[in-house]
Amino acid sequence: GENVEQHPSTLSVQEGDSAVIKCTYSDSASNYFPWYKQELGKRPQLIIDIRSNVGEKKDQRIAVTLNKTAKHFSLHITETQPEDSAVYFCAEYNYGQNFVFGPGTRLSVLP
Amino acid sequence: SAVISQKPSRDICQRGTSLTIQCQVDSQVTMMFWYRQQPGQSLTLIATANQGSEATYESGFVIDKFPISRPNLTFSTLTVSNMSPEDSSIYLCSGGLGEKLFFGSGTQLSVL
Repeated sequence: GENVEQHPSTLSVQEGDSAVIKCTYSDSASNYFPWYKQELGKRPQLIIDIRSNVGEKKDQRIAVTLNKTAKHFSLHITETQPEDSAVYFCAEYNYGQNFVFGPGTRLSVLP
Repeated sequence: SAVISQKPSRDICQRGTSLTIQCQVDSQVTMMFWYRQQPGQSLTLIATANQGSEATYESGFVIDKFPISRPNLTFSTLTVSNMSPEDSSIYLCSGGLGEKLFFGSGTQLSVL
């Protein structure tokens, strides 16, 4: 079945540094790749997404890149702030199928 | 984004009892799903809630244990039946808006 690997499982960065989280997926037919941020005790929130016909998308300090050939996509957070500390989940989606979520990355931004 | 309301937000239940979780979505949502999230874990799909018909369950989840209703486009319930401590988890309702998926605030269930 479909599988999404996510690395690293935990990540600590100094405030102001960049953070990168990478996901690898198995379903070559997947065509939509969202990223969710989940703060402690809160719901997962969609922060950025990318479709398969796009290689990169940016929204202020966050960006996502997609390499369909290699079947991996990455979340980039620049100028990290303490409020970026959370668990981040990637997911893959193929129209007509279900979302498949990665295992999550716990990001800690140290002041 | 979609507005998704879920209740209760948390409950503590006795072994052998059942709990029904309610989810209300705004009218733009087409698909509704129920997920389970164990502490420190990722999101596991329980089932797709189908309007006016039986839900579509994922492997490992059965209707007798997790009956789901969706009487109309914007409302769904998930019942956790005959609970055991292993059912202690966070249960999340979600709604699809196009290809985007949005989540309710979750129900934290503890079974004693």
